[in-house]
Amino acid sequence: GQQLNQSPQSMFIQEGEDVSMNCTSSSIFNTWLWYKQDPGEGPVLLIALYKAGELTSNGRLTAQFGITRKDSFLNISASIPSDVGIYFCAGPAYSGAGSYQLTFGKGTKLSVIP
Amino acid sequence: DTGVSQNPRHKITKRGQNVTFRCDPISEHNRLYWYRQTLGQGPEFLTYFQNEAQLEKSRLLSDRFSAERPKGSFSTLEIQRTEQGDSAMYLCASTPVGTRATGELFFGEGSRLTVL
Repeated sequence: GQQLNQSPQSMFIQEGEDVSMNCTSSSIFNTWLWYKQDPGEGPVLLIALYKAGELTSNGRLTAQFGITRKDSFLNISASIPSDVGIYFCAGPAYSGAGSYQLTFGKGTKLSVIP
Repeated sequence: DTGVSQNPRHKITKRGQNVTFRCDPISEHNRLYWYRQTLGQGPEFLTYFQNEAQLEKSRLLSDRFSAERPKGSFSTLEIQRTEQGDSAMYLCASTPVGTRATGELFFGEGSRLTVL
């Protein structure tokens, strides 16, 4: 099946620094989504991208849909302690049973040092 | 709170016992999904409903698992004869009518299962 590879797996940064993470796939995706998951909680949608080359912002977060449609990037500017969590990329992948269902990467765990 | 609600939040059980989780989606959301998440992994699709109809089941959903959404509102996920490998976070999500793409899911807080 289609797999999403996220890097880095984890990162430690100082408060105030910018953060960049990415997600790649061997297959083309028509939609890329970025979710954040806090400990003990469910994922929350941050940004959705629908068009190759699209660049979308949500506050300090900016995400891009790669022009090859096989990758996406998420940047966080001026990190703050509440940015701590796991960031997942996701996209609709063929389920093998006639529909497309959301498939997730393994996540990038972000730690922010005050 | 009008978000997706799941209970119980935590369940510890002995191997071989049956467990049931409940999910109350956001009202007016006609699609409801169950995902499973193990440590260090992203959520994995299990099954989904449109109203009361279960439209798809992942091959991850063994025949010990059954999900229902009898009136098109809340849903239950039952696991029979639990095994240690069933230990995971079970996430429910819902989407509103006319969602632009399969992906803009609203997740609940999850039900964490530990099988001893």
